Amino acid sequence: RKEVEQDPGPFNVPEGATVAFNCTYSNSASQSFFWYRQDCRKEPKLLMSVYSSGNEDGRFTAQLNRASQYISLLIRDSKLSDSATYLCVVTLNAGNNRKLIWGLGTSLAVNP
Amino acid sequence: SAVISQKPSRDICQRGTSLTIQCQVDSQVTMMFWYRQQPGQSLTLIATANQGSEATYESGFVIDKFPISRPNLTFSTLTVSNMSPEDSSIYLCSVCLDSNQPQHFGDGTRLSIL
Repeated sequence: RKEVEQDPGPFNVPEGATVAFNCTYSNSASQSFFWYRQDCRKEPKLLMSVYSSGNEDGRFTAQLNRASQYISLLIRDSKLSDSATYLCVVTLNAGNNRKLIWGLGTSLAVNP
Repeated sequence: SAVISQKPSRDICQRGTSLTIQCQVDSQVTMMFWYRQQPGQSLTLIATANQGSEATYESGFVIDKFPISRPNLTFSTLTVSNMSPEDSSIYLCSVCLDSNQPQHFGDGTRLSIL
């Protein structure tokens, strides 16, 4: 089983739709969780951290389910500009060493 | 978050040559990393750049091929040595202010080897 798994998509949705991505992780000792967005041929940019209590930032909501070892990202009222690849990242800390494990990304295309 | 300047932004190089990529951060950061992202792939960690000591390389990456310097807490270089077409990729510098914070990335260096 991969350490971090995402459905690669692509997800094709119309403007205004709600879309949700899940990401599962295999190591129960994982400590921090993030969603990044990456546009074609650009560097990844942090979208949001994911907290146990869940968190919301405008149209974006992130949830963490430690029992089932997955995180989710919900995008409401999709915009054309939301088209990108969404990368799930999980971290493991061991002393001063930090290991980041990246998912392969989920591709989203929002269509007019 | 830190401001990260990476250069060159792109280059086209001849097979067998070497290229050094620079990463400058506007503040002192504990952790600096170098990643590679090949076309259609996710990020692959090359190494962690350690200030004042040798970098820590991930499996599949060696110092002779990817020598890294980190003379201080704001600067690092990655050299891609003896390049071949398989090294064509985006190389990304990344920093982290502490172990519980997210990472931030430079704009990347798009490298093509002919």
